[in-house]
Amino acid sequence: DQQVKQNSPSLSVQEGRISILNCDYTNSMFDYFLWYKKYPAEGPTFLISISSIKDKNEDGRFTVFLNKSAKHLSLHIVPSQPGDSAVYFCAGTNTGTASKLTFGTGTRLQVTL
Amino acid sequence: DAGVIQSPRHEVTEMGQEVTLRCKLISGHNSLFWYRQTMMRGLELLIYFNNNVPIDDSGMPEDRFSAKMPNASFSTLKIQPSEPRDSAVYFCASSSPRPSSPSEQFFGPGTRLTVL
Repeated sequence: DQQVKQNSPSLSVQEGRISILNCDYTNSMFDYFLWYKKYPAEGPTFLISISSIKDKNEDGRFTVFLNKSAKHLSLHIVPSQPGDSAVYFCAGTNTGTASKLTFGTGTRLQVTL
Repeated sequence: DAGVIQSPRHEVTEMGQEVTLRCKLISGHNSLFWYRQTMMRGLELLIYFNNNVPIDDSGMPEDRFSAKMPNASFSTLKIQPSEPRDSAVYFCASSSPRPSSPSEQFFGPGTRLTVL
């Protein structure tokens, strides 16, 4: 039972354009969401998060949007850079569960020149 | 700060052998998580500890898997006996919940396990 789904295994975007990575969740108890970035042979690193009391959180080139009614969130990267090429994982949690995260399967982003 | 440290980085073993993966938490962190990454299932949580106590081991595949935290800064994940389907990358992560970022976890570099 995949509670967090990233239906696009891969995405290719040209440098300078917008990258949009999507994530859907089924667990209505989730109240906090995180995006992690993972380079090959490294562990995932935290990128940006959003609480369910917000619908948008922005940090530099990265913005996460949350649509609670649709149980959908998206990560926007503008402008995309070659260094953004990585696997991006979406995760959801209920903040009452001692930080237990449920991850999606990831989306591999390739930013081309 | 050295971050989360995992050893070994790579492990190749034969089916039936015992495998032990090791993890050192970031100093001051009080939660420890073991994950397994596969292509099909992404990052799966196997078990997590809070203040050295196992809280949720529902993700542990079967009795062949066991995890311990003998002290506040160190954990092991053991597979005995190992099977080819255990081949994956195993990550540990640690966290110390903060109001500004209640669930951020810091991951180690992972151990790539291959069981022949």
